[in-house]
Amino acid sequence: SQTIHQWPATLVQPVGSPLSLECTVEGTSNPNLYWYRQAAGRGLQLLFYSVGIGQISSEVPQNLSASRPQDRQFILSSKKLLLSDSGFYLCACSTGTGHSDTQYFGPGTRLTVL
Amino acid sequence: QKEVEQDPGPLSVPEGAIVSLNCTYSNSAFQYFMWYRQYSRKGPELLMYTYSSGNKEDGRFTAQVDKSSKYISLFIRDSQPSDSATYLCAMGKGGSNYKLTFGKGTLLTVNP
Repeated sequence: SQTIHQWPATLVQPVGSPLSLECTVEGTSNPNLYWYRQAAGRGLQLLFYSVGIGQISSEVPQNLSASRPQDRQFILSSKKLLLSDSGFYLCACSTGTGHSDTQYFGPGTRLTVL
Repeated sequence: QKEVEQDPGPLSVPEGAIVSLNCTYSNSAFQYFMWYRQYSRKGPELLMYTYSSGNKEDGRFTAQVDKSSKYISLFIRDSQPSDSATYLCAMGKGGSNYKLTFGKGTLLTVNP
């Protein structure tokens, strides 16, 4: 079964600073990868998803970008953080096989922008 | 109308109670349904997955899907304090559409 690693676990950054969050997946190959943000009372917001290396789909216009330099590595970045970027960032993967495409989540990164 | 509606609670029950958590949806294109459990400050973990209408049981958990009414439920029997968490429903359309649509979650507290 797959295991998802995310780091860092927590991060406090000043407004205007850059951001890089990393997600790596073990135990599966060619996964679909997802970045979500979870804000209090707002549920899970899908930010980006990727079906392969270099293939990124953006779900919402925002201050963030994503890259997939390797099959099992997914990176979330920002050049200049905003206060509104604070939240709990979750990486997820699915195998894309059959009809279920169930997603499995990593432990998350809690980002506070001050 | 939102695609998926879930009562945010909070829901507080005594230990041993039967808990019922529910979601409704509006899009008949949803074909498969999941329940996730999320402890505070942790990532969601998959609890149950169902594809067809009817019931699916796993230990103390039962997932129920009624596609005709566009209504899904999660029942927890003999609830324990360790069940205290936020429960998220999720739905997918299958095929080449990899995305899931999530409810906002219901916060459950089981009191000892």
